[in-house]
Amino acid sequence: EAGVAQSPRYKIIEKRQSVAFWCNPISGHATLYWYQQILGQGPKLLIQFQNNGVVDDSQLPKDRFSAERLKGVDSTLKIQPAKLEDSAVYLCASSLGQRLAGADTQYFGPGTRLTVL
Amino acid sequence: GQQLNQSPQSMFIQEGEDVSMNCTSSSIFNTWLWYKQDPGEGPVLLIALYKAGELTSNGRLTAQFGITRKDSFLNISASIPSDVGIYFCAGQPPSGGGADGLTFGKGTHLIIQP
Repeated sequence: EAGVAQSPRYKIIEKRQSVAFWCNPISGHATLYWYQQILGQGPKLLIQFQNNGVVDDSQLPKDRFSAERLKGVDSTLKIQPAKLEDSAVYLCASSLGQRLAGADTQYFGPGTRLTVL
Repeated sequence: GQQLNQSPQSMFIQEGEDVSMNCTSSSIFNTWLWYKQDPGEGPVLLIALYKAGELTSNGRLTAQFGITRKDSFLNISASIPSDVGIYFCAGQPPSGGGADGLTFGKGTHLIIQP
């Protein structure tokens, strides 16, 4: 079974530029998450989708970050304009979306490492 | 927001030694998870705990869900070189509106000295 795919793997931009990341979840997974992982810290949830609807975006800096999952499968995360503090690894995760008996494991992709200069 | 306090921050051990790390929270979780992350990769799930007091093993790994639902520990017995990496605890809050995002600790960096 193919895992969560993300691209690009690495991106270097200058501050105030825009950038977009792409995620393809595991086939059949209804729930998709974007996490931000700053160096030396654990991942922090940015946004959760259930199919093509947003479930939780309370920690998404909406003045510069946006995300969409128009057809309920692939998702894109955009930063516009980027700041130096946005340098981090952006992880995408997916799960079946069936939280029965607690068994709804989130599977993570390899991440996109963003460096903002 | 919720915070997880994970300790120790790093561990330097000899191959064959046992390892113990733990996580505490200021609020309760319904699920505790332990992940391992290798360089350049995303976190990989090691053990999931769903009930307070639950003790679960996965090979040389053993984890427990604290009775208060605010803490968990992970033990690794007889460490081997491939155990090197960063271990994260993560908690999933009681379900509310379908929000299932995980809260992660800051990680324990395990280093095995030759």
